[in-house]
Amino acid sequence: DQQVKQNSPSLSVQEGRISILNCDYTNSMFDYFLWYKKYPAEGPTFLISISSIKDKNEDGRFTVFLNKSAKHLSLHIVPSQPGDSAVYFCALAAGNKLTFGGGTRVLVKP
Amino acid sequence: DAGVIQSPRHEVTEMGQEVTLRCKPISGHDYLFWYRQTMMRGLELLIYFNNNVPIDDSGMPEDRFSAKMPNASFSTLKIQPSEPRDSAVYFCASSSGLARYEQYFGPGTRLTVT
Repeated sequence: DQQVKQNSPSLSVQEGRISILNCDYTNSMFDYFLWYKKYPAEGPTFLISISSIKDKNEDGRFTVFLNKSAKHLSLHIVPSQPGDSAVYFCALAAGNKLTFGGGTRVLVKP
Repeated sequence: DAGVIQSPRHEVTEMGQEVTLRCKPISGHDYLFWYRQTMMRGLELLIYFNNNVPIDDSGMPEDRFSAKMPNASFSTLKIQPSEPRDSAVYFCASSSGLARYEQYFGPGTRLTVT
């Protein structure tokens, strides 16, 4: 059973516009939430995170929102830049372990 | 800092052969994780170590898989014998206990078993 789902496998957005990525989960035990970014032939890199006691965390162009009641996590990128084109994974933590979503491929068009 | 180092970057082997993947974590990190990425199952945790001790190997798919961490700067993931369904990208990641969720990933080893 998939505990973490990213229902949109891909997203195309114009440069300068907002990219919104979504992640849904089923397990209430997750207590820390992260987003990773991955370029081809590289490992994932940590982007931004949020703890379960918050509902929003912002870092420059990146903002993560957490809705615990809906078990929903989202990442907003604004403005989107061509260098943001990559695969984005949500990752949810319980104990010392991360469970990753399936990823969303973002393409930012110039 | 060189980051997490994995070797080899690519491995092609025949079914039945032994495969050993290697990882050097970031110096000072006390957590080390092995992941596997496939199209079907995505990115999944195989095993993780804390202070060189295996803590949770529940993600290791079969007894054909084994992992060791003889010291703080080196870990191996071994598959013996290898099968075509083991073909995947294997990532090693490390983190510090103070921020253990913010894991630093290596570039991965792409394994192809024919």
